[in-house]
Amino acid sequence: AQSVTQLGSHVSVSEGALVLLRCNYSSSVPPYLFWYVQYPNQGLQLLLKYTSAATLVKGINGFEAEFKKSETSFHLTKPSAHMSDAAEYFCAVSGSSNTGKLIFGQGTTLQVKP
Amino acid sequence: DSGVTQTPKHLITATGQRVTLRCSPRSGDLSVYWYQQSLDQGLQFLIHYYNGEERAKGNILERFSAQQFPDLHSELNLSSLELGDSALYFCASSPSLLELSDTQYFGPGTRLTVL
Repeated sequence: AQSVTQLGSHVSVSEGALVLLRCNYSSSVPPYLFWYVQYPNQGLQLLLKYTSAATLVKGINGFEAEFKKSETSFHLTKPSAHMSDAAEYFCAVSGSSNTGKLIFGQGTTLQVKP
Repeated sequence: DSGVTQTPKHLITATGQRVTLRCSPRSGDLSVYWYQQSLDQGLQFLIHYYNGEERAKGNILERFSAQQFPDLHSELNLSSLELGDSALYFCASSPSLLELSDTQYFGPGTRLTVL
């Protein structure tokens, strides 16, 4: 079975500081990993995804994530936080044999302080 | 704008009632997924349809059912509603069936409130 664990339900950073959101996965098959962002009262928007082409994945809005198989991790980073980054972030895994369903982590709310 | 539309945006109803949520996938997408987002359960996969056929079920209650029609739109039917069914229901679409790296594009969701 596949699962995703996001460490820290709330993360608070100052504007301009490094953003680090943690995601660990469990999968018995090679996983495909995704980070989605949800702004208040909106749907989910893809930030980036890992599809085995490259371990360092660059996404939209300056975010990137590194796939580390040895650590079963796919942490999301951004060098400098912006106020507009305040949102909820979800890590997800797919890879089941008969469906592309996504298994989501619990989500991390990012607060950016001025 | 993801290209996925969901109606209605908000739905308020009473316990015991039945409602239908509608989803139109992005043009050309054959797969439709339904997810439920609630405070206590988080984001959970409910059901997956591909080109009119059910492909996978997740944590979907027997009181819930879904369909995908020939024009590829999908409906999620929730019956005998309980207070605990109050949640945000998302539909997502992707182009294919088993390209597991496909991006799923999410609609804006339907917020269901059961009173």
